Amino acid sequence: GAGVSQTPSNKVTEKGKYVELRCDPISGHTALYWYRQSLGQGPEFLIYFQGTGAADDSGLPNDRFFAVRPEGSVSTLKIQRTERGDSAVYLCASSLNEARGRVFFGPGTRLTVL
Amino acid sequence: GESVGLHLPTLSVQEGDNSIINCAYSNSASDYFIWYKQESGKGPQFIIDIRSNMDKRQGQRVTVLLNKTVKHLSLQIAATQPGDSAVYFCAENTGGFKTIFGAGTRLFVKA
Repeated sequence: GAGVSQTPSNKVTEKGKYVELRCDPISGHTALYWYRQSLGQGPEFLIYFQGTGAADDSGLPNDRFFAVRPEGSVSTLKIQRTERGDSAVYLCASSLNEARGRVFFGPGTRLTVL
Repeated sequence: GESVGLHLPTLSVQEGDNSIINCAYSNSASDYFIWYKQESGKGPQFIIDIRSNMDKRQGQRVTVLLNKTVKHLSLQIAATQPGDSAVYFCAENTGGFKTIFGAGTRLFVKA
C-alpha cells in the first residue's frame, strides 16, 4: 500500500516568509510525528499527534513553529518568519497506536531558506 | 530529499563480511531502543528494536545487543550486502512517543 507522503519534496523560500509543509500519513495510522534533520545529524523530534491532538509538542524550537492535524489524518507543519537556520529536511512519520519506534517515515521535505 | 551524514563516522566492510555498528546512549532512564537505516534521499526505515529488559534480539540477518551497564548498543549485520550501504541511526525512548536519535554511522559495503 501507499506509504507516508510529504509535499512539497523541495521548498525554497526567502528569509521572513511563511511556509507550510504537508504530510499524508498511512491510512489508519492514528499517531503522527514531525522530525527535523539537519545535514550530518540524526532526526530531531518536533511534535507528536495522537488523533487530532498534539500529545507532545516539546520539540518545537519556538513559537514560529506550529502544526495541526484537524481531522486526525493529514497534518501541516507551519513555520512563520522563516530564518536561515530553519533550513533542513522536515520528516513526517506515522504509526499505529502504541507502536513507539515502529514508525514509517516519509521521504521528507527539504526546506531551504535563502 | 538530500544526502545526509556527509561527515559521519564511517564503517567500510567487504561484501559478505559481518558488520558491527556501535552506539552509546545517554539516558539511563531509556527503556526502549531502536535501530533505523536511512538511504540517501529517503526517510529512516525501522530495522529492529529492543526493550531494556532484554540483552539481545535477533531479526533477519540483524542482531541488536544491549549493555545497560555501560549504556551501549550495537547492531550486527550478517553477510553484509551492497544494499546494506546506508546511514544507520540508533535511537532511544524513555516511555513516551518521543524518540531521540543518535548521530549516525555511515556503512559502506565494498563489492
